[in-house]
Amino acid sequence: GESVGLHLPTLSVQEGDNSIINCAYSNSASDYFIWYKQESGKGPQFIIDIRSNMDKRQGQRVTVLLNKTVKHLSLQIAATQPGDSAVYFCAEKSSGTSYGKLTFGQGTILTVHP
Amino acid sequence: SAVISQKPSRDICQRGTSLTIQCQVDSQVTMMFWYRQQPGQSLTLIATANQGSEATYESGFVIDKFPISRPNLTFSTLTVSNMSPEDSSIYLCSVEDTGGGYTFGSGTRLTVV
Repeated sequence: GESVGLHLPTLSVQEGDNSIINCAYSNSASDYFIWYKQESGKGPQFIIDIRSNMDKRQGQRVTVLLNKTVKHLSLQIAATQPGDSAVYFCAEKSSGTSYGKLTFGQGTILTVHP
Repeated sequence: SAVISQKPSRDICQRGTSLTIQCQVDSQVTMMFWYRQQPGQSLTLIATANQGSEATYESGFVIDKFPISRPNLTFSTLTVSNMSPEDSSIYLCSVEDTGGGYTFGSGTRLTVV
């Protein structure tokens, strides 16, 4: 069945370093991908998205890369700050769904040490 | 993006009872989504709620256990019925934004004792 998975369940970095969080997906029909940040006690917050007709998209301190050949998605956070500590989820939606069903990956816990 | 008000934010309930969770959106939306997030895990879609029709449930979720109401385009409720400790989770509602992303409520942290 469809699945979205992550390579690394936890990631620890020093403040100021760059962070890379990876995600693999299995549904080749997926055409829309989103990265979410979830802090303790809160709902997921939208970070950045990318459509399948793009390879790269940049936001403020964040970049998402999409490799459709190997069905891999990554989130890069530049100059990571303690406030970036959270759980990060990738999510995908396929063009085959008639409604907005998102399939989530398992999540990566990012810990930023000052 | 839409703003969602979800309540209660948390509750502790006795097994065998039911809890109704409410989500209010600040704009009219066609579909609202209900997710479950079990402790330390990712989000799993429970069902999609359309106004004026029955909700569409995902595999493993049934209407008798998770009845959903969608009386208008800005409001929905999810009831967790006949609760057991295994129902202890965070329950979240979500809507699709006009730009294509999805906004989530802050979640309801449910503990069943």
